[in-house]
Amino acid sequence: KNEVEQSPQNLTAQEGEFITINCSYSVGISALHWLQQHPGGGIVSLFMLSSGKKKHGRLIATINIQEKHSSLHITASHPRDSAVYICAVHYTGTASKLTFGTGTRLQVTL
Amino acid sequence: GAGVSQSPRYKVAKRGQDVALRCDPISGHVSLFWYQQALGQGPEFLTYFQNEAQLDKSGLPSDRFFAERPEGSVSTLKIQRTQQEDSAVYLCASSYGTGASGANVLTFGAGSRLTVL
Repeated sequence: KNEVEQSPQNLTAQEGEFITINCSYSVGISALHWLQQHPGGGIVSLFMLSSGKKKHGRLIATINIQEKHSSLHITASHPRDSAVYICAVHYTGTASKLTFGTGTRLQVTL
Repeated sequence: GAGVSQSPRYKVAKRGQDVALRCDPISGHVSLFWYQQALGQGPEFLTYFQNEAQLDKSGLPSDRFFAERPEGSVSTLKIQRTQQEDSAVYLCASSYGTGASGANVLTFGAGSRLTVL
């Protein structure tokens, strides 16, 4: 069982829709990353957060430490947002490595 | 350099061959990580360097896998006697800081895709 769970696994949305991707983890963490991976492309770091909320353009990431849950929101989605979105965590005491979720594949259509 | 550079981008090896994958991190980045990503899966941790010191190699799947970073910059991941199950994308990432701090935003390379026939 993967220690970092993401939902949904696959998501199809129409351009302009508001999108939410969820991530939950099992034990205490020191930080959580949201990453974006395009087909055949490398991984881009979107956010690193340990509390609260961060916003960058149309992307918003939130984390609730008590509930061990984080969400990535995309407002006014666009076809170029189509990618795999991956949640990854530093478990407390394991700052040298990330544990990754299996990703959420997002397809945004016109 | 401007980003994390990995080479080769694609490598096809016959089973039993040795391969070497190179990672050139961003200049000045202290931390360097190697991850293995099988098709359709999320990346799995292999090993971590802080400068030239390999502080964590708990993710290396067998003693056929070896990584080094002798001068604290470029790193090489070597796989000996490759097997079909080694086929994956090998990702390298670096960061300026150490540990889970605000300075530890990771920059990933594009990966090296290894196919073992």
